[in-house]
Amino acid sequence: QKEVEQNSGPLSVPEGAIASLNCTYSDRGSQSFFWYRQYSGKSPELIMSIYSNGDKEDGRFTAQLNKASQYVSLLIRDSQPSDSATYLCAVQGGGGSNYKLTFGKGTLLTVNP
Amino acid sequence: DAGVTQSPTHLIKTRGQHVTLRCSPISGHKSVSWYQQVLGQGPQFIFQYYEKEERGRGNFPDRFSARQFPNYSSELNVNALLLGDSALYLCASSLLALNSYEQYFGPGTRLTVT
Repeated sequence: QKEVEQNSGPLSVPEGAIASLNCTYSDRGSQSFFWYRQYSGKSPELIMSIYSNGDKEDGRFTAQLNKASQYVSLLIRDSQPSDSATYLCAVQGGGGSNYKLTFGKGTLLTVNP
Repeated sequence: DAGVTQSPTHLIKTRGQHVTLRCSPISGHKSVSWYQQVLGQGPQFIFQYYEKEERGRGNFPDRFSARQFPNYSSELNVNALLLGDSALYLCASSLLALNSYEQYFGPGTRLTVT
């Protein structure tokens, strides 16, 4: 059973549209949730962190967390071609596993001009 | 402020050799984690060190080892290299202060084993 699953890509949206990226996780004790953006050939860049249920907004990005459903999502409003990248969902375990991040495989997003 | 730095950027090794990868965390960060990322996959956790102590280890063979130095820099060692060790090795730095668990990645070391 995969611990962190992301919606299979690739995802293609037109410029200016909303891109929606989804992630589910299996460890109900998970405490912290992160979204990373990774451009081809580069390392992951942290773009959002969320720790409690609800929405968290930062500029064009909104992260949503629902611990009861074990679901976290990332919305990108007014998508730009520069948003084209792989988006990685990462989950930090609770209790004795709180030292590591578990990543999904990533979703490749392409924003078409 | 300087971010996480890693060296070398690229490395080519032969099967059976060993390799040492180095990482310097963000100033003020006391925790360093190592991850392996193969093409098409998310990063896989290898080790985390905090205040020079190992806090956690992922599902990697004993050929992988690491340590953290008094200045909080770290090195990852891999012995008896296999072709399957070819990957991007990422170092992540974190503060691990109260309620702050964000991990910030360095540029990575691309290891190719031939």
